[in-house]
Amino acid sequence: EPEVTQTPSHQVTQMGQEVILRCVPISNHLYFYWYRQILGQKVEFLVSFYNNEISEKSEIFDDQFSVERPDGSNFTLKIRSTKLEDSAMYFCASRPGAYTEAFFGQGTRLTVV
Amino acid sequence: GDSVTQMEGPVTLSEEAFLTINCTYTATGYPSLFWYVQYPGEGLQLLLKATKADDKGSNKGFEATYRKETTSFHLEKGSVQVSDSAVYFCAHKGGNNFNKFYFGSGTKLNVKP
Repeated sequence: EPEVTQTPSHQVTQMGQEVILRCVPISNHLYFYWYRQILGQKVEFLVSFYNNEISEKSEIFDDQFSVERPDGSNFTLKIRSTKLEDSAMYFCASRPGAYTEAFFGQGTRLTVV
Repeated sequence: GDSVTQMEGPVTLSEEAFLTINCTYTATGYPSLFWYVQYPGEGLQLLLKATKADDKGSNKGFEATYRKETTSFHLEKGSVQVSDSAVYFCAHKGGNNFNKFYFGSGTKLNVKP
């Protein structure tokens, strides 16, 4: 069964460093997302991506964050200069159409020290 | 604004007990409603969904009915198993925003043999 794949499963980085979280969405899907969950808190929307551009972003998604779909299969989230409060589980998701459910990856646990 | 509120956990039950996890939502318009489940070490998996009022979603013995009058989508199962131990997330998509999902904070279920 097709699935969304995220790498790495766990990333530890020093404050101020850049990180790139990688996702391979399901191949015929058109809508792509990043969500995050700080430990013990809600799953929060970060950004959605459609037709090679950001379609919506939350106030969390400031200038430190960027997304790319560089080669038609990968979908990456970059955090330019990590802060301690960026420590969270980051989920990638994709869906085939506008009215369908989203399919989520297993998540990348980011720990900023 | 749009949001989802679900009961706090953890919920601890004995095997074969009846499960209810409450979920209410706030949305403008007519959202689709979802329950996602996260088993230990895994990503978010769709458990069930309902797309309009009075629809009942069901899967693996779990059920939830879209109640527009009470803006609720409570998850129920008649007889839980140890293998149901996981974190359950209520979510909605739609209303006036067909793009992103709104998640509750998750409810951890522990089922004891």
